[in-house]
Amino acid sequence: QSALTQPPSASGSPGQSVTISCTGTSSDVGGYNYVSWYQQHPGKAPKLMIFEVSKRPSGVPDRFSGSKSGNTASLTVSGLQAEDEADYYCSSYAGSNNLVVFGGGTKLTVL
Amino acid sequence: QLQLQESGPGLVKPSETLSLTCTVSSGSISSSSYHWGWIRQPPGKGLEWIGIINHGGSTYYSASLKSRVTISVDTSKNHFSLKLSSVTAADTAVYYCARYVGTGGHNDYWGQGTLVTVSS
Repeated sequence: QSALTQPPSASGSPGQSVTISCTGTSSDVGGYNYVSWYQQHPGKAPKLMIFEVSKRPSGVPDRFSGSKSGNTASLTVSGLQAEDEADYYCSSYAGSNNLVVFGGGTKLTVL
Repeated sequence: QLQLQESGPGLVKPSETLSLTCTVSSGSISSSSYHWGWIRQPPGKGLEWIGIINHGGSTYYSASLKSRVTISVDTSKNHFSLKLSSVTAADTAVYYCARYVGTGGHNDYWGQGTLVTVSS
């Protein structure tokens, strides 16, 4: 059982928007503005898409955005494209005893 | 462009110690701005954080693996290593090394991953 809770699947048609949630506690997601999101295509290493809740690394399209409210963080993918089909994982800082926790992952399908 | 590459045995017997090395190229592991870490992913499952180390050797480990994990760094060889003792089939996974940025932490560069199977 993962420390952060994500829906196992999400889907949308090309051009639509989809939002993936990531629920933790006040000891991780709710306690710090250190939520990250990773995209993973089959057989590939994860790729950083969002860090510190809503910041995008250079080269990540602005179709990807992040936010947080209370103990739940969200990743929104706007203008869905076929190449967005992948697994998405959230991650949060969880304090000095167990530094980083991951969500169980969400498989995004572009219909 | 920073590159990380994992290396080590792909097969480990139960109860033995898993050992992997991550070699960093096109960048220095001695930078004080970063930590260097390990994450694993069992086949068909999600990511699990293992731990991180900085150039000075300060480490942070997952609470669930702490009793079995050792991460070390060799700045002269620009690489860092993972040892996981007393392995079982549950430790079978793709092991990734990655650069960890900042206090709160995110992993911005990842190795390609290496599959380690625990089996007799």
